[in-house]
Amino acid sequence: KQEVTQIPAALSVPEGENLVLNCSFTDSAIYNLQWFRQDPGKGLTSLLLIQSSQREQTSGRLNASLDKSSGRSTLYIAASQPGDSATYLCAVSNYGGSQGNLIFGKGTKLSVKP
Amino acid sequence: GAVVSQHPSRVICKSGTSVKIECRSLDFQATTMFWYRQFPKQSLMLMATSNEGSKATYEQGVEKDKFLINHASLTLSTLTVTSAHPEDSSFYICSASRVRSFYEQFFGPGTRLTVL
Repeated sequence: KQEVTQIPAALSVPEGENLVLNCSFTDSAIYNLQWFRQDPGKGLTSLLLIQSSQREQTSGRLNASLDKSSGRSTLYIAASQPGDSATYLCAVSNYGGSQGNLIFGKGTKLSVKP
Repeated sequence: GAVVSQHPSRVICKSGTSVKIECRSLDFQATTMFWYRQFPKQSLMLMATSNEGSKATYEQGVEKDKFLINHASLTLSTLTVTSAHPEDSSFYICSASRVRSFYEQFFGPGTRLTVL
């Protein structure tokens, strides 16, 4: 059974700092991995999607890497801003899963202080 | 593109009543829609997967007679919580996947259900 773990559960940094969020998964037979952002009481915003054949994806100040063999992904945020404060969720989609079932981690709650 | 809406965004109801939540893909056709539930400080848990025109597939532990799902068209899926109880209070989020992009899911803004 696939399990997704995110470390740390919460993170507080000063504005301008670079930071890394970690995600690990137990079953390496994934189809893709996605990083999402969730603001309090809101839905999910997709940030980056990495296919299993890819090693990384970049969008603006965000860079996500994937090491499928070790079951790990990292989300790198450069030059953090207060507007980046949110909960960041990692999710994987398994081969042979329930038609694209996404398995989520519990998230990392990020707070960027001005 | 790839916008998903949910209605209502928030609902408060009395115990024993039924509540219907709509999920719409606004600018694309969604062959598959997913319903998730999120309890406070917990991750999203898949409840069921629905394909247009067929019966939904429910995850283990989710009562199909309590959580009725209808996916009548390529742009609309509904979740009805029947005879809601306080323990059903949660944040319900739907997602949709496009015809040619099966594994990428686009999420709605969620519906906060509070059962008194």
